[in-house]
Amino acid sequence: AQSVTQLDSHVSVSEGTPVLLRCNYSSSYSPSLFWYVQHPNKGLQLLLKYTSAATLVKGINGFEAEFKKSETSFHLTKPSAHMSDAAEYFCVVSDPFSGGYNKLIFGAGTRLAVHP
Amino acid sequence: NAGVMQNPRHLVRRRGQEARLRCSPMKGHSHVYWYRQLPEEGLKFMVYLQKENIIDESGMPKERFSAEFPKEGPSILRIQQVVRGDSAAYFCASSPRKDRVNTEAFFGQGTRLTVV
Repeated sequence: AQSVTQLDSHVSVSEGTPVLLRCNYSSSYSPSLFWYVQHPNKGLQLLLKYTSAATLVKGINGFEAEFKKSETSFHLTKPSAHMSDAAEYFCVVSDPFSGGYNKLIFGAGTRLAVHP
Repeated sequence: NAGVMQNPRHLVRRRGQEARLRCSPMKGHSHVYWYRQLPEEGLKFMVYLQKENIIDESGMPKERFSAEFPKEGPSILRIQQVVRGDSAAYFCASSPRKDRVNTEAFFGQGTRLTVV
């Protein structure tokens, strides 16, 4: 079965310092992986996605993630945190047995706090 | 092009009442997904619909929950005889096609259901 584990439920950083949100996945097949962000009382916004092309994926707002098959990881990083980055972040894998549609499997989420 | 529209944004129901949640997909999208987010958890897949067809309802509770996506009008998630455990945020997502698992699904802002 496919699954996603986000290793930290809460991460706190100072503004201007690097961000690292960790994600490990379990999949028997080449997965499609995504990071979504959820700001308070808002919908989910796609940050970036990995679809078996380049292993280093660049997303919006300066975020990027690296797919490492040997480590089954897809960690999200940003060189310098901004106050507006404070939100909930979800690592997501697409179920390869879904018959070709977007049956997404979500991690439990990581809440990022950014302090001045 | 308006995004995925969900209404109401907040819904309060007493135990035993019915809850109806509406989702209008993005223009041109014919595939709708419903996900549920319980407090402090990630989103869980509930059901996938195309116009007038339920394709996958493997995540739907067996009783009291139903979904539809009629030829005309929004998709409806209906919860009969609500209980406190139904309190959650319900998100709808839409995509233009199903033939690729990495096609981005666009999420609405969610409906937050509170059962009192």
